Amino acid sequence: DTAVSQTPKYLVTQMGNDKSIKCEQNLGHDTMYWYKQDSKKFLKIMFSYNNKELIINETVPNRFSPKSPDKAHLNLHINSLELGDSAVYFCASSQYGTSATDTQYFGPGTRLTVL
Amino acid sequence: QQPVQSPQAVILREGEDAVINCSSSKALYSVHWYRQKHGEAPVFLMILLKGGEQMRHEKISASFNEKKQQSSLYLTASQLSYSGTYFCGTKDTSGSRLTFGEGTQLTVNP
Repeated sequence: DTAVSQTPKYLVTQMGNDKSIKCEQNLGHDTMYWYKQDSKKFLKIMFSYNNKELIINETVPNRFSPKSPDKAHLNLHINSLELGDSAVYFCASSQYGTSATDTQYFGPGTRLTVL
Repeated sequence: QQPVQSPQAVILREGEDAVINCSSSKALYSVHWYRQKHGEAPVFLMILLKGGEQMRHEKISASFNEKKQQSSLYLTASQLSYSGTYFCGTKDTSGSRLTFGEGTQLTVNP
């Protein structure tokens, strides 16, 4: 059973296009996250939702919009894709979110390449 | 504020030991260690808590020095399967977000 799943695994698209990445977790967790990992492997938090409510919204361009239809799903929509958006995007989930002992579990990642 | 990891990279022969450090300028409440193999997701290894005990995952252990606001990951008798990038993530007392270091690339050769 896959705990945190993402689709698609690979996404290759042209500059200017709009694309979405989907994430689902079957762990019963309350909190979900989006991270961006660039070519230097730096893992940077983008957004976090707790029970469908946005709780972390880092300084990312407005072109990125997360949506959480329910606490098991968190999608990421990106408008007007730019070359600099090329990266691996990881979804993660954790039980509570604000606990210091809360463990985050990562999905397999979506490698986005913008041409 | 992002924690600082050292070294950035280390190459070992199978059976050798290594230490990876993670330091923060902020007061920490917990340190989370992950390992990421090439092309895969980061995988959780262990959590170190302020005032807590040293933790262990197989032959990998870690400690948390509150005075120095530093955690160290000890890899003993390394195996080929230990190769990957090790990340520490830190949480302050608010517990609101996990901030990752830049990672330490560990390569274990036969």
